[in-house]
Amino acid sequence: NAGVTQTPKFRVLKTGQSMTLLCAQDMNHEYMYWYRQDPGMGLRLIHYSVGEGTTAKGEVPDGYNVSRLKKQNFLLGLESAAPSQTSVYFCASSGYDYNEQFFGPGTRLTVL
Amino acid sequence: GESVGLHLPTLSVQEGDNSIINCAYSNSASDYFIWYKQESGKGPQFIIDIRSNMDKRQGQRVTVLLNKTVKHLSLQIAATQPGDSAVYFCAGRDSGNTGKLIFGQGTTLQVKP
Repeated sequence: NAGVTQTPKFRVLKTGQSMTLLCAQDMNHEYMYWYRQDPGMGLRLIHYSVGEGTTAKGEVPDGYNVSRLKKQNFLLGLESAAPSQTSVYFCASSGYDYNEQFFGPGTRLTVL
Repeated sequence: GESVGLHLPTLSVQEGDNSIINCAYSNSASDYFIWYKQESGKGPQFIIDIRSNMDKRQGQRVTVLLNKTVKHLSLQIAATQPGDSAVYFCAGRDSGNTGKLIFGQGTTLQVKP
């Protein structure tokens, strides 16, 4: 099993550009999450999903959108990137009956 | 609101010594806690977890202690090795059936040879 994978690993955007980050998991997990990690801030939840076709806002959702069309995939979109969105983005997934979250390797995004 | 915090941003220990990383939480309704290890350039990796009906849980070289009275948990690493150098996060499960975790800010463990 590959676990949780993220695409791409690195990306540089200009202010105002858009992009989509892809997260995929092969563990048949119900729950999926998107976090951002900034220096000294720990992990902050952007959006999450408790099942296929559902999404919900986390702690810092502004400027991001998500979609969960398939159970194994969770997409994070930036419609108009801003320098404040420069960060490392992590995707995670967990099963329904337990709470350990499995993390992907991260995507390092720089917005100029 | 709910919060989870670590007491020290950085902990430096000698190789072979035991390490203790502390964490405090504010939500008395949290019923599940987890410790993650994050090495540079990688995603967080599960170390050990504990449910609120337990006070202690042991793994390989690691022990988690939970004190619900003072809302405190700690991670103890026995015989710390250079490979243990990383950032350690504690997290508590948010109340509600969503699996959401509230993360602390992390403690950097530095192991001196």
